[in-house]
Amino acid sequence: EADIYQTPRYLVIGTGKKITLECSQTMGHDKMYWYQQDPGMELHLIHYSYGVNSTEKGDLSSESTVSRIRTEHFPLTLESARPSHTSQYLCASSDRRQGAFYNEQFFGPGTRLTVL
Amino acid sequence: TQLLEQSPQFLSIQEGENLTVYCNSSSVFSSLQWYRQEPGEGPVLLVTVVTGGEVKKLKRLTFQFGDARKDSSLHITAAQPGDTGLYLCAGAATDKLIFGTGTRLQVFP
Repeated sequence: EADIYQTPRYLVIGTGKKITLECSQTMGHDKMYWYQQDPGMELHLIHYSYGVNSTEKGDLSSESTVSRIRTEHFPLTLESARPSHTSQYLCASSDRRQGAFYNEQFFGPGTRLTVL
Repeated sequence: TQLLEQSPQFLSIQEGENLTVYCNSSSVFSSLQWYRQEPGEGPVLLVTVVTGGEVKKLKRLTFQFGDARKDSSLHITAAQPGDTGLYLCAGAATDKLIFGTGTRLQVFP
């Protein structure tokens, strides 16, 4: 079983609030990812990281930002939340030693964000 | 832009029936993965196929990678209510995964 954790699991906040979604993994994986997913729909990559001090934007434009100061930790921050940010946010990690050929990813349980 | 189209989008069947889910693209992928996601949880990896024409079996689930490595199928034999969930295919492309549009399967007892 993969050891990747996300907190909080559910978050309901008002417009304009700053929020940080936490993601931690204990597998020592270098690569980490954030996806956005509307209920029952496909996953859209919004950020990824190759390792410490590496962050890249994904395929879906997002107003969120990320940081990677420690290998195991990859938090996502929204400076000013809006109703359009309401979605499920999934964090994942993979082992760089697999290479891009496989890129099998392990996912956390997700954070369901609702902005009122 | 690489796209992975899954069909059908929704599938509702009775326990014991067989079903096939398709994942199609115009792009070639180095490998293709299948995930299953239950409500309120993250996707869980089921299988990775790598070689064109490869067939892998996982109990009642059979996965096939197309000869040209552009498409894949998932066949479930004698579906059970525990198979209910969202099935996602994902193609490996450089350092990212391209996820399919998803197939929502509901198996009724």
